[in-house]
Amino acid sequence: SAVISQKPSRDICQRGTSLTIQCQVDSQVTMMFWYRQQPGQSLTLIATANQGSEATYESGFVIDKFPISRPNLTFSTLTVSNMSPEDSSIYLCSVSLELRNTIYFGEGSWLTVV
Amino acid sequence: QKEVEQNSGPLSVPEGAIASLNCTYSDRGSQSFFWYRQYSGKSPELIMSIYSNGDKEDGRFTAQLNKASQYVSLLIRDSQPSDSATYLCAVRVGAGNNRKLIWGLGTSLAVNP
Repeated sequence: SAVISQKPSRDICQRGTSLTIQCQVDSQVTMMFWYRQQPGQSLTLIATANQGSEATYESGFVIDKFPISRPNLTFSTLTVSNMSPEDSSIYLCSVSLELRNTIYFGEGSWLTVV
Repeated sequence: QKEVEQNSGPLSVPEGAIASLNCTYSDRGSQSFFWYRQYSGKSPELIMSIYSNGDKEDGRFTAQLNKASQYVSLLIRDSQPSDSATYLCAVRVGAGNNRKLIWGLGTSLAVNP
């Protein structure tokens, strides 16, 4: 498996501000994914971030609200912009390990917007 | 619209019993299937993956896949209170850099001592 570190692990944010979540992997991976999990809900894919290309966003998610960077094969960031209480959620970074044909998750970032 | 469906539960079983979790999917071309466990307040962790029809066993867990019926299940033998969690079924769709997982809503399992 991969060791995936996310920062911050938890934060309380003011409405209208932006927060950047960092995801660091201990090995080089091609595909990284950002998910959101709202309270009591399952996982919703925000975007796929491949190194060297623009992130691919899922329906309902836009780059202006959730800009993503993927500067190299071990690191990515997700910014939640102009936050509202509806953005209160767990944000999860995950990576695809091609040799294992599976996906592993970081510990998640718990955001509360007040 | 590709979908993955699970009973939300809660599924309640006594300690030591077999817990059976079920999942159906809509994309007939899917080839990879995964079960994740998520404890409250934690991120999902992979339990098992399965790619071929039939059964795959790993300790107390058995995954069963039937592609003709578009059905994948997870059996947990000798259930323990520590197995109480939400179990998420995920199905891989797409190819190459367009691969992604489609997730079910999860089944909540409670194992009663």
